[in-house]
Amino acid sequence: KAGVTQTPRYLIKTRGQQVTLSCSPISGHRSVSWYQQTPGQGLQFLFEYFSETQRNKGNFPGRFSGRQFSNSRSEMNVSTLELGDSALYLCASSLGSGSSRNEQYFGPGTRLTVT
Amino acid sequence: QKEVEQDPGPLSVPEGAIVSLNCTYSNSAFQYFMWYRQYSRKGPELLMYTYSSGNKEDGRFTAQVDKSSKYISLFIRDSQPSDSATYLCAMLRAGNNRKLIWGLGTSLAVNP
Repeated sequence: KAGVTQTPRYLIKTRGQQVTLSCSPISGHRSVSWYQQTPGQGLQFLFEYFSETQRNKGNFPGRFSGRQFSNSRSEMNVSTLELGDSALYLCASSLGSGSSRNEQYFGPGTRLTVT
Repeated sequence: QKEVEQDPGPLSVPEGAIVSLNCTYSNSAFQYFMWYRQYSRKGPELLMYTYSSGNKEDGRFTAQVDKSSKYISLFIRDSQPSDSATYLCAMLRAGNNRKLIWGLGTSLAVNP
């Protein structure tokens, strides 16, 4: 099975711009979660989508949004970029079937640099 | 106080050493415990998944959970340079709001 793919892998943007990141989960996985990872804060949960619906949300401002398509692919968008948004953005997929295990499989991430 | 505490290290050991990585947690509602390994410039990969108190072994890796002390550990025997990575613990609450809570990760370097 192909793993989780994320595009693009690297991105450089300037303050005030917006960005869209894409994630394709493992085939058959219906849940996609997004995380922001920075050295000081570690992995911070952004949101989780399951069957095109947002199921959980972390404590991030409304500039961060996401969506999921019928084929389970997901996108996240960050508007009005700030310097502090520079981070590795990780996508994780899981079956999301309500199974207690909920093991997550991560993509390689998108490294976003805001200048 | 964070729900999950993990010493970020860095931890540096010689090849062949036994490595002990630890996390403590404050919320007794956590029921599922995971260890992930993250190499530089890669996403985390799941190493071990445990549910009950006690030990779970997989090759050179042993995951230990002590729910009474709210403490989990990952032991690596006969450590190799290829084990050099950041190790993250993650925990899952039961119930409706089921999101993973992560430790900050411990950076490990195994020196040949």
